[in-house]
Amino acid sequence: AQTVTQSQPEMSVQEAETVTLSCTYDTSESDYYLFWYKQPPSRQMILVIRQEAYKQQNATENRFSVNFQKAAKSFSLKISDSQLGDAAMYFCAYRSGTNAGKSTFGDGTTLTVKP
Amino acid sequence: GAVVSQHPSWVICKSGTSVKIECRSLDFQATTMFWYRQFPKQSLMLMATSNEGSKATYEQGVEKDKFLINHASLTLSTLTVTSAHPEDSSFYICSADGREGFEQYFGPGTRLTVT
Repeated sequence: AQTVTQSQPEMSVQEAETVTLSCTYDTSESDYYLFWYKQPPSRQMILVIRQEAYKQQNATENRFSVNFQKAAKSFSLKISDSQLGDAAMYFCAYRSGTNAGKSTFGDGTTLTVKP
Repeated sequence: GAVVSQHPSWVICKSGTSVKIECRSLDFQATTMFWYRQFPKQSLMLMATSNEGSKATYEQGVEKDKFLINHASLTLSTLTVTSAHPEDSSFYICSADGREGFEQYFGPGTRLTVT
C-alpha cells in the first residue's frame, strides 16, 4: 500500500517570504501522479500543482513550484512571495496510475502567513 | 469547466434517520467518483469508489450497508448514510475524475451533524 508522509503539521511564513512544505511517499509502482492541494477554511479542495512521475522536469505554477526527487520519493512544495491568501491546510497526495486511480493523502500541513 | 457540486452543503439529522448526499459533475461526465470522509484538522480518508452502472467498491473498514452509494448516471453519485448515529457526524467530500483521468475535481463538501 502506498503511504504519504507530511512531517510538518504546522508551518509559518512571513508575508512575501518563501516557504517549503515537505512530502515523502512510498510506493512500488512506476506509474503514478503527485499533487499538492490547498484546503482553506471553506474546506473546498483546490489543486495547487501536479506532477507526473514519468516527467523529470519539476512542475511550476506561478509562485508555486515543486522539487520532485523520484529516487528519494520526495515531493516538496515551494511557495514564493507568500501572500495572506496562501494561509490554508496543504495536502500532498499520491494517485496510482493503475490501482483504480485511488488517491492517498498525507496528514496535511497547516500554513500560517504572518503579515 | 470541471465543476463538481454537492447537495446539501450541510445537514442536521436525528439519530436513527437516513440522509442522502448528492454529488454532481456539472459540465462533464464522470464515470468514476470517489467519496471521502474528513474529520476536523485531519486528512481525507477514502471511503469508496463509485463507478457508473456498477456497484461501488468500498475501502476496508467501511460498512457498505451503512454507507450506500449509487452512481446512477454519468453526472450523479449519491451517498446515503443509513441509520445515522452521532459518530457518523463528519465532513463528506466527493470527487470526480476529469477528462484526462488523472486529475480529480472535488466538490465543496457536506457537513453532516447527527444529533
